[in-house]
Amino acid sequence: GDSVTQMEGPVTLSEEAFLTINCTYTATGYPSLFWYVQYPGEGLQLLLKATKADDKGSNKGFEATYRKETTSFHLEKGSVQVSDSAVYFCALSDDGSGNTGKLIFGQGTTLQVKP
Amino acid sequence: GAGVSQTPSNKVTEKGKYVELRCDPISGHTALYWYRQSLGQGPEFLIYFQGTGAADDSGLPNDRFFAVRPEGSVSTLKIQRTERGDSAVYLCASSPDTNEQFFGPGTRLTVL
Repeated sequence: GDSVTQMEGPVTLSEEAFLTINCTYTATGYPSLFWYVQYPGEGLQLLLKATKADDKGSNKGFEATYRKETTSFHLEKGSVQVSDSAVYFCALSDDGSGNTGKLIFGQGTTLQVKP
Repeated sequence: GAGVSQTPSNKVTEKGKYVELRCDPISGHTALYWYRQSLGQGPEFLIYFQGTGAADDSGLPNDRFFAVRPEGSVSTLKIQRTERGDSAVYLCASSPDTNEQFFGPGTRLTVL
């Protein structure tokens, strides 16, 4: 079945460092891809998404490009801030028959940014 | 406007008991999803409603789990004969279509 694999955390960076969190997926169809973020004590929030190959999603300085050839959707940010400390989840939507939109998540990557 | 709300925020119960978890979606959202998140893991899909009907319940782990959405708005996830392995955070999400999902804060269930 469809699946998502993320790099294991925790990732610890200094403020203003460059961030990459790797995400690869396995899917039989043409899924949409998402990054969700969970800040401490808060619920899951959509960070960005891409719905087809070569699309780039971006939000709050974060970017990710849908790479069909490498089945990847890596999350990047040029300069992280302490406030970016959170757990990041890569996900794909089931685009098979029925078009339910149900999400399949990776295991999450914890990011800690130190001042 | 109000987001997705879930009650209770925390529920502690004893093994073998019955529990109900409630989800109030964003007004007007026809799609509603339940997920379960175990410690250190990503959320796992349980069930999807479109309107009042369960369009996909393939994620429910066994017949102890059941969910309803009788009027196409509020949904209740019901767990019978709870087991310690049911302990997790149960998340609800709603969507105006089947694209972006808006998540609630979750209910943390602990089975002693």
